[in-house]
Amino acid sequence: NAGVTQTPKFRILKIGQSMTLQCTQDMNHNYMYWYRQDPGMGLKLIYYSVGAGITDKGEVPNGYNVSRSTTEDFPLRLELAAPSQTSVYFCASSYSGGFYYEQYFGPGTRLTVT
Amino acid sequence: EDQVTQSPEALRLQEGESSSLNCSYTVSGLRGLFWYRQDPGKGPEFLFTLYSAGEEKEKERLKATLTKKESFLHITAPKPEDSATYLCAVQEGNAGGTSYGKLTFGQGTILTVHP
Repeated sequence: NAGVTQTPKFRILKIGQSMTLQCTQDMNHNYMYWYRQDPGMGLKLIYYSVGAGITDKGEVPNGYNVSRSTTEDFPLRLELAAPSQTSVYFCASSYSGGFYYEQYFGPGTRLTVT
Repeated sequence: EDQVTQSPEALRLQEGESSSLNCSYTVSGLRGLFWYRQDPGKGPEFLFTLYSAGEEKEKERLKATLTKKESFLHITAPKPEDSATYLCAVQEGNAGGTSYGKLTFGQGTILTVHP
């Protein structure tokens, strides 16, 4: 049981390039989330999904896109990378988005845009 | 808008020196308050969930408590391996319909325990 896995661990992008951050969970969780964490700041929600085929925006969705074709996978797409997207990105999942269920986090992807 | 403020931003302790971390929150209806531990270069690791004022939970040297306005994470006789960033997050209640489990995080407290 690997939990939540993310790839890559590190990535450097040039301004204007695109990339996809991968996230997979093997806990059969129906809710999945993408967060970004900037130094000295709390985690901010980018996008979330309540199940395959259903996604919605979080607090900071601009510049990102997501898809959810399976229960296990929830990739995050960055189009036209900008320096403001330099951050650490965490994927998380939970059994339910309802009350009382904790979220389990992946190890993160550290992205630098130069 | 939900707000979560953690204090202090950083805390240095000697091994065995007990102390507390604070998490103050403003939320229209609290459904759950979560504590996470985050080691450098890793994702947050779940520690506790507290649901109502007066509730307490313990795990090894950690004890979390909750009031209507704040939560404390008490660390008793800490060891160097307790060094980490501790995050708290609140989940707002939803009067009707489903909730996607939105968490609002504080900025964290960096704890360093010296041997």
